Amino acid sequence: QSALTQPASVSGSPGQSITISCAGTSGDVGSYVLVSWYQHHPGKAPKLMIYEVNKRPSGVSNRFSGSKSGNTTSLTISGLQAEDEADYYCCSYAGSSTLVFGGGTKLTVL
Amino acid sequence: QVQLVESGGGVVQPGRSLGLSCAASGFTFSNYGMHWVRQAPGKGLEWVAVISYDGGNKYYADSVKGRFTISRDNSKNTLYLQMNSLRPEDTAVYYCAKDGGSGIPPQAFHVWGQGTVVTVSS
Repeated sequence: QSALTQPASVSGSPGQSITISCAGTSGDVGSYVLVSWYQHHPGKAPKLMIYEVNKRPSGVSNRFSGSKSGNTTSLTISGLQAEDEADYYCCSYAGSSTLVFGGGTKLTVL
Repeated sequence: QVQLVESGGGVVQPGRSLGLSCAASGFTFSNYGMHWVRQAPGKGLEWVAVISYDGGNKYYADSVKGRFTISRDNSKNTLYLQMNSLRPEDTAVYYCAKDGGSGIPPQAFHVWGQGTVVTVSS
């Protein structure tokens, strides 16, 4: 159950687009569509932003999108807004009914 | 609306036990798998355990296997986590979360509680 690999931090200016990558292996991201992304403002409950690679829950802005290529999944946020500043985590099914998170990425809106 | 409320956190000495609860409302609890996820101070999120909709299947992270037990009471719409042989590295905010399906396989964490703090220290 090794953690997925995310960049520690990314930044962008309001209105810009950013992409957060999440690298796994053929034992997790590469083999399953059960990949999800979470937004976490410190002190609050995490929030599901993307599930099954590219599906958005009801109420999540269409500025958030997900994709997957091989063993890497990505979250793209377009039209950055100040309220997007948060920590973002990817998560993947890893077989044997287990899940594994990425280490998290701190997004700074400049 | 869908709501999850954790309770039971506190300060406990290493080697001791502690039990957490998560009260669910606003959805048909018995239809969904449920998880525990934790976040240690200054660290990222870590999946801890999952239980299937009927309680018949339970799976754990290697870091807690053999020490923690997840359970549920569908008649009370409540999820539990019994933590034994606690270690300082178990210090974290513990969240309960609702799966998107039955929990077999575990899919994603669609709804989260606000968390309860567990501190393991002498």
